[in-house]
Amino acid sequence: KQEVTQIPAALSVPEGENLVLNCSFTDSAIYNLQWFRQDPGKGLTSLLLIQSSQREQTSGRLNASLDKSSGRSTLYIAASQPGDSATYLCAVRGAAGNKLTFGGGTRVLVKP
Amino acid sequence: GAGVSQTPSNKVTEKGKYVELRCDPISGHTALYWYRQSLGQGPEFLIYFQGTGAADDSGLPNDRFFAVRPEGSVSTLKIQRTERGDSAVYLCASSLGAGGYEQYFGPGTRLTVT
Repeated sequence: KQEVTQIPAALSVPEGENLVLNCSFTDSAIYNLQWFRQDPGKGLTSLLLIQSSQREQTSGRLNASLDKSSGRSTLYIAASQPGDSATYLCAVRGAAGNKLTFGGGTRVLVKP
Repeated sequence: GAGVSQTPSNKVTEKGKYVELRCDPISGHTALYWYRQSLGQGPEFLIYFQGTGAADDSGLPNDRFFAVRPEGSVSTLKIQRTERGDSAVYLCASSLGAGGYEQYFGPGTRLTVT
């Protein structure tokens, strides 16, 4: 059974610092990995999707890497801003089936 | 364009009652998913539809939970004899199809069972 872990559970940084969020998964037989942002009381906003054949994806200040063999993904957010404060979730789709298995999320606070 | 919509946004019901939660996916998306998110946790998969059929219902916790998608678009999640442990945010997502497509989520329905 796939298990996804995100450490740390919470993170607080001063504005301008780079953010590094970690995601690990136990079964490397994945189809893709998706990073989401969730604001309090809201749904999930997709940030980046990395297919299993890819090593990284970039969008603006966001960069996500994937090391499938070691079961790890890292989300980097450059030059953090207070508006980046949210919970970040990673989710993997297994090679068989279409459901996403989520980690517990990392709650980020960027202080002005 | 319009995203995934869910109604109601909030639902409060008494223990033992029946509830229906509705999801309207992005137009043209053939795959639809239901997830449940408890406070402070990541979402957990409930059921996945490809078209009108439930392709994977392995996440439904018990037979009080049922979902339909009769015309391959709108889906309804039905919960019978609600229990306090059913209180959570129910999230719906859709994607263009099965496979490696991105899943787009709705705002969720917050269900509170008193």
